[in-house]
Amino acid sequence: RKEVEQDPGPFNVPEGATVAFNCTYSNSASQSFFWYRQDCRKEPKLLMSVYSSGNEDGRFTAQLNRASQYISLLIRDSKLSDSATYLCVVNPPGQLTFGSGTQLTVLP
Amino acid sequence: EPEVTQTPSHQVTQMGQEVILRCVPISNHLYFYWYRQILGQKVEFLVSFYNNEISEKSEIFDDQFSVERPDGSNFTLKIRSTKLEDSAMYFCAGRTGNEQFFGPGTRLTVL
Repeated sequence: RKEVEQDPGPFNVPEGATVAFNCTYSNSASQSFFWYRQDCRKEPKLLMSVYSSGNEDGRFTAQLNRASQYISLLIRDSKLSDSATYLCVVNPPGQLTFGSGTQLTVLP
Repeated sequence: EPEVTQTPSHQVTQMGQEVILRCVPISNHLYFYWYRQILGQKVEFLVSFYNNEISEKSEIFDDQFSVERPDGSNFTLKIRSTKLEDSAMYFCAGRTGNEQFFGPGTRLTVL
């Protein structure tokens, strides 16, 4: 079983749409959880940390379910600039363990 | 806002040659990391470094790899004898709290 598993997509959505990404992780000792975004041939950029109570940052909402070892990211009112690969990242602890990413394209 | 920087942005080398990739973390970072990403694949952890020594390393980080912080600011990754399969993006990261912030990467091409 992959340590961090994501639907690779691609997700092609129109501007203004709401899109949700899901992720599961295998290491129950994982302590920290993140969503990063990565543009083509660029470095991963931290989008948001994910907390047990769920957290929101503008149009982005992240949820964590420790019992199911499941993480989600919801993007509302998607913009063209949201087009990127979204990486689910888990800290089990120490090193970061990355999922393969979900590719999002927001269409005009 | 200060950022992690890396040099060079692109390095081309012949198989068997040594390469040194350089990173300048943000001054308040205490933990430093190297990751690599082979084209089309996921980001993979190589090594973490704290208090001038390796704190954790992956199975990828074999005897061909080494890290050091020679002057208190630069953080380097050395590959002693490069192989074709070392071609990848190499990212340096520094940590603040639980969050890691990545440099722009060095694209290593081994011919």
